Amino acid sequence: EVQLVESGGVVVQPGGSLRLTCVASGFSFDDHAMYWVRQAPGKGLEWVSLITWDGYSTYYADSVKGRFTISRDNSKNSLYLQMNSLTTEDTALYFCATRSQHLDFDYWGQGTLVTVSS
Amino acid sequence: EIVLTQSPDFQSVTPKEKVTITCRASQSIGSSLHWYQQKPDQSPKLLIKYVSQSISGVPSRFSGSGSGTDFTLTINSLEAEDVATYHCHQSRSFPWTFGQGTKVEIK
Repeated sequence: EVQLVESGGVVVQPGGSLRLTCVASGFSFDDHAMYWVRQAPGKGLEWVSLITWDGYSTYYADSVKGRFTISRDNSKNSLYLQMNSLTTEDTALYFCATRSQHLDFDYWGQGTLVTVSS
Repeated sequence: EIVLTQSPDFQSVTPKEKVTITCRASQSIGSSLHWYQQKPDQSPKLLIKYVSQSISGVPSRFSGSGSGTDFTLTINSLEAEDVATYHCHQSRSFPWTFGQGTKVEIK
């Protein structure tokens, strides 16, 4: 069974930093791209970032470029999102997700809540 | 960035009624348009991929159509379990984007 378990979401002050972690199991982690999607309270989905299977290429939404860094450790089946210079606009439920190239499979975690507040 | 605009934002329908949700892209995205269903307090679930391709386990009352910039998700004969927010999503180019979502409720 595929499982994606996010952690690291907490309440943090504006300007602060946070690292989210997603631990994967049940599939060949090092064969698949991984990505983050967030959802602000009562709002729609916003794609945040993607990293290729080998970590060689990364992509970001304009809203987080220069502040967030996605990375992975294939030896630990883990995906990370380093979030710096946080603002209240970053308050959201952050989902970790993966898919095959042609969407033959598509899995999401349950999310971890990040609240940016003073 | 490719902007996806869904309509309507909200739809209240009676059981067995047909539901149509549209998604318009700000530029052509070919067939790289997918639909997700998100029930309250759940993660999104893939409903339709590449405009019209069905997903194993998804009821046949869900279908998709369209091309280029205009796409449609249709739910034939709405059931109570279909109460959810529906999101369109493009993977044609980075940054990937989602529509703002369409909330479907039972009248």
